[in-house]
Amino acid sequence: RKEVEQDPGPFNVPEGATVAFNCTYSNSASQSFFWYRQDCRKEPKLLMSVYSSGNEDGRFTAQLNRASQYISLLIRDSKLSDSATYLCVGGDAGNMLTFGGGTRLMVKP
Amino acid sequence: NAGVTQTPKFRILKIGQSMTLQCTQDMNHNYMYWYRQDPGMGLKLIYYSVGAGITDKGEVPNGYNVSRSTTEDFPLRLELAAPSQTSVYFCASSKIDRYHEQYFGPGTRLTVT
Repeated sequence: RKEVEQDPGPFNVPEGATVAFNCTYSNSASQSFFWYRQDCRKEPKLLMSVYSSGNEDGRFTAQLNRASQYISLLIRDSKLSDSATYLCVGGDAGNMLTFGGGTRLMVKP
Repeated sequence: NAGVTQTPKFRILKIGQSMTLQCTQDMNHNYMYWYRQDPGMGLKLIYYSVGAGITDKGEVPNGYNVSRSTTEDFPLRLELAAPSQTSVYFCASSKIDRYHEQYFGPGTRLTVT
């Protein structure tokens, strides 16, 4: 079983839609979680961190449910520029990150 | 600040050749990492370093070697390249704090034929 699992998608949504991705993790010792964004043929870049009960940044909301061991990312009012692959990432106490395989989002006009 | 830089951007190797992928960061980060990403897959950790002179294996170290003589540089050496090493290689760095967010270089696309 992979340590961090995501639905690979693709999620095809129209502009303005709200879309949600879920991610599950198997290592209960994971201390912190992140969502990274990766554009085609580019490096991953940190989108947002997820701590305790979650946090919001503009149109993006990340939630963490430790009891069920899942993390979610909600994107409201989708833009064409949101099209990318979203990587769910778990971090341990030793500065090591474990990456999920990514969920691909395509926002269409 | 340039952040994390990697060279070369692209490289084609023949089976059995060797090469070194360069990685440099100017953020004075203690931690540095090498990952590989195969098409449609997540990132897998090859090697990492917690400071100059200290390196350790990640999930997929076979066929690779690293060194960390300075805080800034973390080169990855491929000996006897094999087609299975065709991949995109990303170097990353992070500072020591409880958030350990990682900053990535632009990647090196390597093809072994």
